[in-house]
Amino acid sequence: GAGVSQSPRYKVAKRGQDVALRCDPISGHVSLFWYQQALGQGPEFLTYFQNEAQLDKSGLPSDRFFAERPEGSVSTLKIQRTQQEDSAVYLCASNTGLSTDTQYFGPGTRLTVL
Amino acid sequence: GQQVMQIPQYQHVQEGEDFTTYCNSSTTLSNIQWYKQRPGGHPVFLIQLVKSGEVKKQKRLTFQFGEAKKNSSLHITATQTTDVGTYFCARKGGGKLIFGQGTELSVKP
Repeated sequence: GAGVSQSPRYKVAKRGQDVALRCDPISGHVSLFWYQQALGQGPEFLTYFQNEAQLDKSGLPSDRFFAERPEGSVSTLKIQRTQQEDSAVYLCASNTGLSTDTQYFGPGTRLTVL
Repeated sequence: GQQVMQIPQYQHVQEGEDFTTYCNSSTTLSNIQWYKQRPGGHPVFLIQLVKSGEVKKQKRLTFQFGEAKKNSSLHITATQTTDVGTYFCARKGGGKLIFGQGTELSVKP
């Protein structure tokens, strides 16, 4: 694939619903990152995978947020019992895992919780 | 966490004017990266600076890393309407990126 892809691009959920956001990283990229970007703010780190291992989940705001990458490729970010403050753009990024490599961002999923 | 502060938050310029955004940290940075995000788009990597006093240029864009490695700047000469967007600085720590709040640039033709 040419770049990082994310689906869906837009998601509207009623408060209390569960949502699942998908990220397909660039083929062969070892590292995968999730960020949350609120309107008018910079992206904020949520969690980081190296292959299938979740090495850092310090940015997940609550236990309603869960991320997985079971086969070391596609990743899913799940938000349970969504709340209005979860409304944001969720960005996925990937890279080769080398310390010198930049991160390549996907187009994001815009989540609106009503 | 160790945040990076970015100013100004907004900048409105007339096409052809110059633009500068500043990124500051209270602690020494090992590196600083700059990203551009077009309206409705995603962050796109521009450059990484790692050396004290480093200056890099990309066409009309000039990036600087301070001597003390606590600040950085991005300067655009003679802005064009294609420069519109939000410019973020970010430091890399433990693999993840910590972004500044960004400077939103609007250019009036």
